[in-house]
Amino acid sequence: DTAVSQTPKYLVTQMGNDKSIKCEQNLGHDTMYWYKQDSKKFLKIMFSYNNKELIINETVPNRFSPKSPDKAHLNLHINSLELGDSAVYFCASSSGQGSSYEQYFGPGTRLTVT
Amino acid sequence: GENVEQHPSTLSVQEGDSAVIKCTYSDSASNYFPWYKQELGKGPQLIIDIRSNVGEKKDQRIAVTLNKTAKHFSLHITETQPEDSAVYFCAASIDSSYKLIFGSGTRLLVRP
Repeated sequence: DTAVSQTPKYLVTQMGNDKSIKCEQNLGHDTMYWYKQDSKKFLKIMFSYNNKELIINETVPNRFSPKSPDKAHLNLHINSLELGDSAVYFCASSSGQGSSYEQYFGPGTRLTVT
Repeated sequence: GENVEQHPSTLSVQEGDSAVIKCTYSDSASNYFPWYKQELGKGPQLIIDIRSNVGEKKDQRIAVTLNKTAKHFSLHITETQPEDSAVYFCAASIDSSYKLIFGSGTRLLVRP
């Protein structure tokens, strides 16, 4: 069983479009995250959610809107896509409160904006 | 805010040799320091972590050391094997925060 799953794995779209990436974890964790990894492999936190509540919004443009319908899901919706949004997006989850717990990452979604 | 610097960016070693990756952090309040391994096409995976009340931790061929005074921590891999080839990330965070700050990554290549 996949612990943290993301769909789709690849996403190719044009500038200006709106797209969503879905994330689900079956680990029973309370905390979920979205990270962006750029072409140089820099891995940067975007959002942290705990028990469906937004905890961290790391100065991400408001074109990005995360939504957590329940503790097991954290989806990422992106409006008006731009070339600079091209990256690999990772969802992760962890148990407990705070960031000093092992984070389990999904396989990533490679977004390409043309 | 916290900043984590990681060196080297690439590291090539012969199979069986040791590899060392170093990181420095800026926020003295940071107290949790994990290391993640990312294989091609996959998400990062935790390989070892250390907390600020411990100076060293070892797990088989992998060890991590922490120098709180200098704000340095390092990953040591002994007897490297080709399957150790991957990108390694250090990270730092403050307990009770929800923010893990990653270093820029080290691409390790182990030559057979």
